Amino acid sequence: AAGVIQSPRHLIKEKRETATLKCYPIPRHDTVYWYQQGPGQDPQFLISFYEKMQSDKGSIPDRFSAQQFSDYHSELNMSSLELGDSALYFCASRTWGTGELFFGEGSRLTVL
Amino acid sequence: ELKVEQNPLFLSMQEGKNYTIYCNYSTTSDRLYWYRQDPGKSLESLFVLLSNGAVKQEGRLMASLDTKARLSTLHITAAVHDLSATYFCAVDPSGTYKYIFGTGTRLKVLA
Repeated sequence: AAGVIQSPRHLIKEKRETATLKCYPIPRHDTVYWYQQGPGQDPQFLISFYEKMQSDKGSIPDRFSAQQFSDYHSELNMSSLELGDSALYFCASRTWGTGELFFGEGSRLTVL
Repeated sequence: ELKVEQNPLFLSMQEGKNYTIYCNYSTTSDRLYWYRQDPGKSLESLFVLLSNGAVKQEGRLMASLDTKARLSTLHITAAVHDLSATYFCAVDPSGTYKYIFGTGTRLKVLA
């Protein structure tokens, strides 16, 4: 069965650089969520999209932005990267009905 | 502010033993989810609990939901080493689809 696909899986950037993460949800899932997980932390909600519109916003820094495109894939853009942005970034898509979230493998961002 | 608390945060147990992980939350919710995460890996969906009194079982794991007490439990029966992982509960407050994750319980099963 198709799963949530994230790219790149690993990313190394310098401080003040920019990074873009991509997420391809499970086909026919209409909602995408982005989470940030620091070492030993629980996943922190960043932002979500429903039918290509932003549906909710969490603790996403102003330096970050995201969007969902017409093919339902989503991109998380991160600018002016800081050391504290180093984390695992997960994308999840939601199945209609039960609301179960299916997570991608994550993108590990390291900021040096 | 919605709080989702799990206890214990860390659990080290012997193989063959039973134990329960608790997930308490501070607001109305009829939906609760349990996930498993291995170190550096993705979150794997374990259970979806959609109503008061819901009970789900898969292998050595059983999850239940008491919405009146705002409590969910994840019971481990006869633990095996392969169950070593971090377990998260996640709450969807009042069906808003704003998932809030618990603090996680890091389980280590000793052979």
